[in-house]
Amino acid sequence: DQQVKQNSPSLSVQEGRISILNCDYTNSMFDYFLWYKKYPAEGPTFLISISSIKDKNEDGRFTVFLNKSAKHLSLHIVPSQPGDSAVYFCAASYGPNTGNQFYFGTGTSLTVIP
Amino acid sequence: DARVTQTPRHKVTEMGQEVTMRCQPILGHNTVFWYRQTMMQGLELLAYFRNRAPLDDSGMPKDRFSAEMPDATLATLKIQPSEPRDSAVYFCASGSGTNTDTQYFGPGTRLTVL
Repeated sequence: DQQVKQNSPSLSVQEGRISILNCDYTNSMFDYFLWYKKYPAEGPTFLISISSIKDKNEDGRFTVFLNKSAKHLSLHIVPSQPGDSAVYFCAASYGPNTGNQFYFGTGTSLTVIP
Repeated sequence: DARVTQTPRHKVTEMGQEVTMRCQPILGHNTVFWYRQTMMQGLELLAYFRNRAPLDDSGMPKDRFSAEMPDATLATLKIQPSEPRDSAVYFCASGSGTNTDTQYFGPGTRLTVL
């Protein structure tokens, strides 16, 4: 059973606009969340994370928002650039230690149109 | 530039054949993960190790899959016998097992079973 869900398989956005990628989870015991970015023929790379004690974490053009009551998180990219075109995976775990298992969503393919 | 390496990058085989995929984690990392990427399930965790000991392999079909770490620099994932439904991209990732928040992924092995 998929504990982390990304219900939008794809998203297209104009360059310069905001991209919003969404993720929902079912397990209230998750307390650490991450976003990974994946280009074709490469492995996923870490993008940004957030602990459950926060509701927002920002890193340059990337901001992750966490709504624990709704079990929902989102990734905002502002402004979007063509180089952001990739598959984005949401992941959750029980803690920030990489020894813990990460539960990944199915991914959202973002296309930024020049 | 430390990175996770995986071999082979591509593998085409016939149903019933044995397949072995190899992973070299980042030197000094003590946790190793095997994932399978499929369209339906996203990134599925197959197995993971800490200090070379298997911690969880509940994601693997036990009758045909096996994962081992013969030493700290090598992790292997074997499928015997392979089936067409095993066709997917298999990723290895490693982590330092400390309070860092990142798993580092290799480039993946694209497996096609005919």
